[in-house]
Amino acid sequence: AQSVTQLDSHVSVSEGTPVLLRCNYSSSYSPSLFWYVQHPNKGLQLLLKYTSAATLVKGINGFEAEFKKSETSFHLTKPSAHMSDAAEYFCVVRVTGNQFYFGTGTSLTVIP
Amino acid sequence: DVKVTQSSRYLVKRTGEKVFLECVQDMDHENMFWYRQDPGLGLRLIYFSYDVKMKEKGDIPEGYSVSREKKERFSLILESASTNQTSMYLCASSRRGPYGYTFGSGTRLTVV
Repeated sequence: AQSVTQLDSHVSVSEGTPVLLRCNYSSSYSPSLFWYVQHPNKGLQLLLKYTSAATLVKGINGFEAEFKKSETSFHLTKPSAHMSDAAEYFCVVRVTGNQFYFGTGTSLTVIP
Repeated sequence: DVKVTQSSRYLVKRTGEKVFLECVQDMDHENMFWYRQDPGLGLRLIYFSYDVKMKEKGDIPEGYSVSREKKERFSLILESASTNQTSMYLCASSRRGPYGYTFGSGTRLTVV
C-alpha cells in the first residue's frame, strides 16, 4: 500500500529562522515525490519534485528537500523563513500509473 | 499565464440541483483530475481521466460523475447536490510520466 504522512499539521516559526516540514512515505515501488504549496484561496503550486535523480532537490523560493530512502522521508526545508512563506504545504507521492497520494497538509505560520 | 482554468471561483447551489464544474487546460496534458479539499482531510481524489472519453474512479466517486469529450476539458458533475458536497474542488492536469500536477485555482462550492 502507498501512503504519505505529514508529521505536523501546524508549524510555527519566526521570520528569518529555518523551516522544517516533515514527510514520510510508504511505497512498494520507487516513488516520485513532490511538495506543493497552497496560499489562502489559491490552487496548489509545485515547489519541487524528486524523480530518482539527485537526492537533494532544490525548488522555488529557496526551498529544498532531501530524499532519504533508508528513512522513507522527504522533508522540506528552507534556511530562512519569509512572511510570504505562510501557507499550506502538501507532500505528494506518485507510484505507478496516474495515481498521486496526498498528505493531509502542514500549515506554516511565520511570526514577524 | 493561466494554464488550468476552473470556470467559477465561488458557487452556491441548492440541494438537489445538478451542478457542473468545468475545467480547461491549455498544455495538451493527457491526464486530468478532480479533487475535493476539506479541512483535516486533505485532498481526496474523486475521478481522473488519462485520455479523451476515458475515466477512472478515485477514492470518493459516489455522488459524482465526469465527462471528457475533448482533451482540454474535464467536467465534474454533481447529479443531485447535497450539503455534504460543500467543499473546495480542485482540478489538475499532468503529462504522462513522472511529472507533477498543474492545478487550477479551485472552485468553492456551497450547497444550501
